[in-house]
Amino acid sequence: EVQLVESGGGLVQPGGSLRLSCVASGFTFSSHWMHWVRQASGQGLVWVSRINRDESSTSYADSVKGRFTISRDNAKNTLYLQMDSLRAEDTALYYCVREIGAPGNFDYWGRGTLVTVSS
Amino acid sequence: DIQMTQSPSSLSASVGDRVTFTCRTSQSISTYLNWYQHKPGKAPRLLIYAVSHLQSGVPSRFSGSGSETDFALTITSLQPEDFATYYCQQSYRPLYTFGQGTKLEVK
Repeated sequence: EVQLVESGGGLVQPGGSLRLSCVASGFTFSSHWMHWVRQASGQGLVWVSRINRDESSTSYADSVKGRFTISRDNAKNTLYLQMDSLRAEDTALYYCVREIGAPGNFDYWGRGTLVTVSS
Repeated sequence: DIQMTQSPSSLSASVGDRVTFTCRTSQSISTYLNWYQHKPGKAPRLLIYAVSHLQSGVPSRFSGSGSETDFALTITSLQPEDFATYYCQQSYRPLYTFGQGTKLEVK
């Protein structure tokens, strides 16, 4: 069974940092592009970042570019999101997402980890 | 950026009803359009990819149609487990934008 389990969320002050992790199981992690998608309370889904299979290519939404860094450790089946210079508007539930087939097709999602940026 | 507009934003229906949601994009995305179902506290679920292809395990009462800029998701004979929020998403290019969602509620 495919599972994606996020962790690392919490309360952080504006300007602070957090590192999210997502442990994958039930599939060959190194064979898939992976993404982070977030959802603020009462709002829709927003794509944040993606990484290819061997970490040689990454992309970011403009709103997080220069502040967030996506990475992965295929030996540990783990996806990461390093979040620096956090702002109140980064407050959201962050989902780890697996891509399948064509780019942008998200077939498995974790349940999310909540990040709250507040003083 | 490609903008996604879903309508309606909410819809009340009864078990057994047929419902249709629409999604319009700000530019042509060919057939790079997916639909997701999301229930509170759960992970979103891919229902349909590339406009009309049913993801494995998704019941056949779900169907998708459209092309270029206008798309639709139809559920025939609503079941109790279908009440959720539905999102369209373009996979034409990053930012892989999502619509704002259509919340399907029990009438």
